[in-house]
Parts: sequence; C-alpha cells; structure tokens
Amino acid sequence: KQEVTQIPAALSVPEGENLVLNCSFTDSAIYNLQWFRQDPGKGLTSLLLIQSSQREQTSGRLNASLDKSSGRSTLYIAASQPGDSATYLCAVQTGANNLFFGTGTRLTVIP
Amino acid sequence: SQTIHQWPATLVQPVGSPLSLECTVEGTSNPNLYWYRQAAGRGLQLLFYSVGIGQISSEVPQNLSASRPQDRQFILSSKKLLLSDSGFYLCAWRGYGYTFGSGTRLTVV
Repeated sequence: KQEVTQIPAALSVPEGENLVLNCSFTDSAIYNLQWFRQDPGKGLTSLLLIQSSQREQTSGRLNASLDKSSGRSTLYIAASQPGDSATYLCAVQTGANNLFFGTGTRLTVIP
Repeated sequence: SQTIHQWPATLVQPVGSPLSLECTVEGTSNPNLYWYRQAAGRGLQLLFYSVGIGQISSEVPQNLSASRPQDRQFILSSKKLLLSDSGFYLCAWRGYGYTFGSGTRLTVV
C-alpha cells in the first residue's frame, strides 16, 4: 500500500524567505501527484498537479517538482508571505480512484 | 467551469441521531465522486466513491453509508451517529486532478 510522508510536520519562517516542503512516497507507480493547501476549518484548495511523465509545474510563486523514480516531490514557495500560512498536503494518485494523502506540513509565515 | 457544493458547513448532532450530508457538482457530467473524512490530527481517509448513479464503493467498514441518486449528487448518511463519527467531511470529484468541496464539520455530542 502506498505511504506518503511529509517532512517537516511544521515549519515557521519569517516573511520573505524562500522555503521547500518535502513529500515522499513508497510506490513509484503513480498517475500523478497533487499539492493542496488547507486553511484552518476549510476545504482543500488545489495548488499544482504534476503528471507522472512531468518533472515540474509552476504557478506564480509556487514550483513543484517530481522525481518519480526516487519517490520524492518538493513544493518550493518563493518570497513567502503571511497569507501563505496554512497546511500543505501532498497526495499521490495510484489508480482511477486511489488518492493517498500525506499528513501535511503546517506552515507559519511570520510578518 | 466546474464547481462543487457541500452543505451544511457545520453540524452538531446527538449520539443516535440520523445524518445526511449532501454534495453536488456543477459543470460536468458523470463525474467520479468521493467522500473523505479528516479526523482531528489525522490524515484524510477515503470513505466512499461512486463512478455513476447508484454505484457506490465502500473503502472502510463503518457506521456510514453513501448514495448517488442523481448524476451530480452524492449523499453521505447514517441511521444512528456514534461519537467516533465526529470529524471533518469532504466531498470531491475527479477531473484533472481532484477538486474538493468546502467541507462539513460534524460534531457528535
């Protein structure tokens, strides 16, 4: 069974710093990997989706990379802002209806 | 564009009472629909998914059931709630990646 791990569990950085969130998965046979953001008490907002054949995707200040063979993905956030404070979840899709989530990284950006 | 609606946003129910949470999707047809639960301090757990009207797959044996009476409607139900049913329930559909609803916070007291 696919296991997804996110490190660190929590991260606190001053505003303006660049940061990297890590996600690792045990089975490299994936369809795609998706990064989500969750604000307290809210649903999940999709940030980026990387297909298994892709190496990276970018959206604004966010860049996600995927190394399928090593079972790793990173989410890079440039010039962090207090509004980036949230929990970030990565999820890997391994089948038509199988989406496995990590337990998330709680990010706090200090003004 | 596709949107997903989920209600109610919060719910406080006594133990033993029934439950009905509703999810609807707009802007797409024959979507794959999902119910997830997020318990406090834990990850997201897939409860049910549906690939079409009347087709329900259960991932975890539990006190809950799901139904899909219409193409874009997915309902999560229980006849008698338990304390352990408390949590944050999320509906999702799969298009290009997964899109989640805003969630329902259920507290069973």
